[in-house]
Amino acid sequence: DAGVTQSPTHLIKTRGQQVTLRCSPKSGHDTVSWYQQALGQGPQFIFQYYEEEERQRGNFPDRFSGHQFPNYSSELNVNALLLGDSALYLCASSLSDGTAVQLAYGYTFGSGTRLTVV
Amino acid sequence: AQKITQTQPGMFVQEKEAVTLDCTYDTSDPSYGLFWYKQPSSGEMIFLIYQGSYDQQNATEGRYSLNFQKARKSANLVISASQLGDSAMYFCAMRELPGYSSASKIIFGSGTRLSIRP
Repeated sequence: DAGVTQSPTHLIKTRGQQVTLRCSPKSGHDTVSWYQQALGQGPQFIFQYYEEEERQRGNFPDRFSGHQFPNYSSELNVNALLLGDSALYLCASSLSDGTAVQLAYGYTFGSGTRLTVV
Repeated sequence: AQKITQTQPGMFVQEKEAVTLDCTYDTSDPSYGLFWYKQPSSGEMIFLIYQGSYDQQNATEGRYSLNFQKARKSANLVISASQLGDSAMYFCAMRELPGYSSASKIIFGSGTRLSIRP
């Protein structure tokens, strides 16, 4: 049973460019959340997608946008890249329904995409 | 607003000793879940243990136990008989649980880097 798959694993972009990161959720999961983790810090919540719509959003500018497809996979897009966008971007998938314990144990992270902006 | 505080940026522990990683949290919601994750250098977030706010007993998972003190809003992780493979970043996290919806996000603390000495 495949877990959460993220691509690419590493990426180098130039300041001002645009980037798209991809996430395939764990089989059976329908909700995808994205996090940004700067070096030496904890992950920061960007947004969450369910039923192809953004359901929640963290404190990130509109340069960060996303999409969820009918097969539950998701993309994170970042426009006008800044040096400060350099980070590990983590995707997590989960089920939209279940008991609190099921939701807790079912929240699964991918290995992330490491983005470097130069 | 939710907040997670980890006050130990780094810790060194001798192999086979027990170690306690500190975590305090803040929330106004009576229903929430507390997590601990391990993040090795590969970047993936590995789920370790979960404690629900209404759970009467402290959670345990093998060598991991969560010392939950609700009145003090404390959720410390205890690792017994530490091993070299325990060297990693450890994150405390929290999720508010409105009903059984997974809509609420997980927020993370800043992490503790644990290093096990042979």
